[in-house]
Amino acid sequence: DIQMTQSPSSLSASVGDRVTITCRASQGISKYLAWYQQKPGKAPKLLIYAASALQSGVPSRFSGSGSGTDFTLTISSLQPEDVASYYCQKYNTAPLTFGGGTKVEIK
Amino acid sequence: QVQLQESGPGLVKPSETLSLTCSVSGDSISPYYWSWIRQPPGKGLEWIGYVYYSGSTNHDPSLKSRVTMSVDTSRNHFSLNLKSVTAADTAVYYCARSRTGQYFDFWGRGTPVTVSS
Repeated sequence: DIQMTQSPSSLSASVGDRVTITCRASQGISKYLAWYQQKPGKAPKLLIYAASALQSGVPSRFSGSGSGTDFTLTISSLQPEDVASYYCQKYNTAPLTFGGGTKVEIK
Repeated sequence: QVQLQESGPGLVKPSETLSLTCSVSGDSISPYYWSWIRQPPGKGLEWIGYVYYSGSTNHDPSLKSRVTMSVDTSRNHFSLNLKSVTAADTAVYYCARSRTGQYFDFWGRGTPVTVSS
């Protein structure tokens, strides 16, 4: 099975900073990648699908890029409400595997 | 707006079967894929499997033959049975929708399940 590895596992940044999270697949998955945001005690929320397509209603400061094995989620200007864990998920084939997550905090 | 609501016992004894139901409102069960995803305490997300509105299923091979999923289109809900549970199955269980069996656009709030005697 394809493994999904996220880095870093956690980060702390200031309000207004540009934040980048990386997700690497152990084999190529084309652009079959989604990103989710999960706030404490809440269900995950879809942010990005097809590696770079923004889900309706998601702020434009979130963006995704990449294809094949290497992907990034970028928050262009970190806001206090962005404190959350972020997960990538591959979906080229089953099983639909998630990355281990990245916890984002405000410095 | 689609809403999903998980229901089921919050405590299950080891070796018994965990049974959950997800009720869907605001849209029809068809023609979507309906997944179960779980999150052990303090850990990441794990996909369990999905059931298509037609009844076909797919699940994570690591769960082997312990998983059974079904759909009831007349009642607009779908279900999960996970048998022979152990403490490792303790988690918050989420149900979620996907249009194509790929990524998940709507999620339930999640229901915690503890496996303990």
